[in-house]
Formats: sequence, C-alpha cells, structure tokens
Amino acid sequence: DTAVSQTPKYLVTQMGNDKSIKCEQNLGHDTMYWYKQDSKKFLKIMFSYNNKELIINETVPNRFSPKSPDKAHLNLHINSLELGDSAVYFCASSQGQGFRLPLHFGNGTRLTVT
Amino acid sequence: SQQGEEDPQALSIQEGENATMNCSYKTSINNLQWYRQNSGRGLVHLILIRSNEREKHSGRLRVTLDTSKKSSSLLITASRAADTASYFCATDTGTASKLTFGTGTRLQVTL
Repeated sequence: DTAVSQTPKYLVTQMGNDKSIKCEQNLGHDTMYWYKQDSKKFLKIMFSYNNKELIINETVPNRFSPKSPDKAHLNLHINSLELGDSAVYFCASSQGQGFRLPLHFGNGTRLTVT
Repeated sequence: SQQGEEDPQALSIQEGENATMNCSYKTSINNLQWYRQNSGRGLVHLILIRSNEREKHSGRLRVTLDTSKKSSSLLITASRAADTASYFCATDTGTASKLTFGTGTRLQVTL
C-alpha cells in the first residue's frame, strides 16, 4: 500500500553506463517530480510533470531523460553516467502544481557511480 | 542557490527538551512547508503555513512565520528519540511552480 514507490532502492554502476529508475504513485495525483539530494543533503528539483506533460526542467543535463507514460508513473533514464551523478534521487507527487498541498516522497534511489 | 537556509545545521538535545529550528528565505512566498527526513528514507510532510498566517500548530509541532523578516521557525515540544531526523523547510514562490528546499537541520534526540 506504499503511496510513492521507486525502484531500485540501490543502484551501483560504472561510469558510462545507462540506467533507469522507475517511480509509481497510487495516490491519484496529477503531478510528479524528480529531486536529487547530494551528499550534503541539499535537495534540488530536476523535473516536474503534470498530467504527463513536462512542466519543469531545471537545467538538468540532457543525459537525464524523464518519461511519464501516464499520470501514475514517472521514470528517469540516465545516459552515460558520470561520477557526479552519484546521489539519492527522490520521486515525489502532489495534487496540482500550486503547492497548497504537500509533496509525497518515495524512499529514494541511492545511485553510486564508480 | 537555494531559497531556504535552516539554522542550526545540527542540533543535539535530550529527550523531553524542546527543539527549535529556524528557516530563512530570500524572496516572497505563497506558503512555507516543513518536512522531516529519517535516515535512508524520503521526506515526510509535517505542516504547511500560508503567507497570511503567523502561527500554526499540529500536535507537538508549532510553526511560526514572519514574512517581514523572511523567516520561519519550527518548534518541537517534549522531544522524543523518534524525532531524530533531518528537518527541511520548503518554500513556494508561486512564480516557477516549484517547491524549493532549504539545507536542513539534523536533529539528534538522545535518551
């Protein structure tokens, strides 16, 4: 009955590889997000989708490509992984874009690039 | 650069004591939210305060907002070991449809 679920929880890979992280929410929300949390716990938004449409693309390298097949899913594909991509990636969802209602976060995917 | 900055960066108290964390931000906001993050987990929403509100309570939590000083505080009363976590403020400026998080306060509550 997890509200926002991400897979995998841990991802260890080598530089240059391509990897994907999947996210699903069962809250009926229409907006989903990807956030990146670095080693200092700073949380920065990467992308936002509303009803499958890209709303925010926060100057993320184009090696990162989000895909939203439907309102309940938002996946993140990363090409040509670099050491600096190592971080915890969080998926989140909310109802609407106005932020009058809270974000619901998944438990994160810890990506380690070696 | 981030919109919010929490102070202190780390706080260690004993169970039963009160914990106060502060958040300062730079631009006008529509609302401000506080989140908790337990180690290895995602963020959990605690409380939202709108820009026209000055104080809000939820259980052992009390949040204040001073828009003239562009600051907010989160008070946790009668802290418990289970309150050990990182606490983040997040602001919605309403112009870019995004929620911007602060740098977080790591709270350690010891028995």
